[in-house]
This record gives sequence, C-alpha cells and structure tokens, in this order.
Amino acid sequence: DVKVTQSSRYLVKRTGEKVFLECVQDMDHENMFWYRQDPGLGLRLIYFSYDVKMKEKGDIPEGYSVSREKKERFSLILESASTNQTSMYLCASSLYRRGQYGNTIYFGEGSWLTVV
Amino acid sequence: TQLLEQSPQFLSIQEGENLTVYCNSSSVFSSLQWYRQEPGEGPVLLVTVVTGGEVKKLKRLTFQFGDARKDSSLHITAAQPGDTGLYLCAGAGSNDYKLSFGAGTTVTVRA
Repeated sequence: DVKVTQSSRYLVKRTGEKVFLECVQDMDHENMFWYRQDPGLGLRLIYFSYDVKMKEKGDIPEGYSVSREKKERFSLILESASTNQTSMYLCASSLYRRGQYGNTIYFGEGSWLTVV
Repeated sequence: TQLLEQSPQFLSIQEGENLTVYCNSSSVFSSLQWYRQEPGEGPVLLVTVVTGGEVKKLKRLTFQFGDARKDSSLHITAAQPGDTGLYLCAGAGSNDYKLSFGAGTTVTVRA
C-alpha cells in the first residue's frame, strides 16, 4: 500500500511565524504535491514537484514555498504565516511519468493549521 | 486548469436507497479518479478509470467512464451509513502531472 505521511496533524501558529509542514512517501514516487482544502473552495494546488530539487507553482503559490531535497520528502513552508492561511493542508504523491496512460495520486491524512 | 463539475453538491438518503453522483467536463481526460474523504481525513482513492466506456465495480459501488472520456458517474447500491462522506472526482489530461478536482459531493446516509 502507498503510504504518504504528514508529520503534524494539528498545528497552531501565531501570525508572522515561519511554519514547516513535512511530508514523506514510501513508494519511490516521482511526483509530490501540496494542496489546501477549504470549505466551498475544494482542493487547490499550491505547488508540486516532479523530481528532486524541481518545483512548479500550482494555482495558489503566493505566500508559500517548497523544498524537495530528497525524493521521498516534500516540505511546504509558510515564510510568514497569516490568518488567511488557516486551512487543511494535504500532501500527495504519484508515480506518473509523461507518456504514461493514467495518473493516480495518493493523499496523506492532512495537516490542520490554525494561524492566530 | 480543466474544469470538473460534480452534481449534486449534497445528497441525503435513507439507508438501503441507491444514489448516483455525476462528474462532468467539457475536456477530455486520459484518466479519472474517484476518492472518498471522511471528516478530518485525507481523500482515499476508490478507483481509477482510463478507458472510454469503462465500468468498474467495487462491491456496492459502480463507476462508469463516459465513452468520450469527458464524464463519469458513481452509483452506490443499497447505501449504508458507512458510505457517508465527501466524494471527489479528479481528472488528468494527457501528459499532465496534475489532476483537476471537482468540488465534491457530500453524501449522508441516514440509518
């Protein structure tokens, strides 16, 4: 079974703090993703990475950065947390390579971040 | 980003009834996934369909991919309270690492 593990399930941070959300996958997947999920807005892609040290912006990258130094680990960084970043953050991974037919991503359990 | 529309947004039924959730787009997808998400948890993959016209069954759940690969449906027979959750469809375009997600259908099955 694919296992995507997010390091923190619940976090409470103060406005202006630097926040790290860590994610590890154990299936040697090439691609990793960070989403946020908010009521009424659905799942929105923040950043994704298709290889070590590679990253691409998703739909809502502002206020976030990412790091992928090892294949199995993808970190989401909030440089200066703000209250509008209070949300559920979901990490995901997939094995998809260009030219393949079909693309399935697998999610972690989620991290609930509250910024006060 | 390709748009996926799910309907209905909310569905509340009695245990033992059947239900169908729809996922529609004007775009063609190379594959389409269905996920179920319980409150406070991450989405869990139910199925991936890749061939136009494909039908997959998972116990009481039946998934269909449209012939033109633009739409899909999820049908649950004799729903149980354990089927309660948010159902998400997601589609991948050709040569696209990313998935486009529908907004989800919240299903409540009353005992």
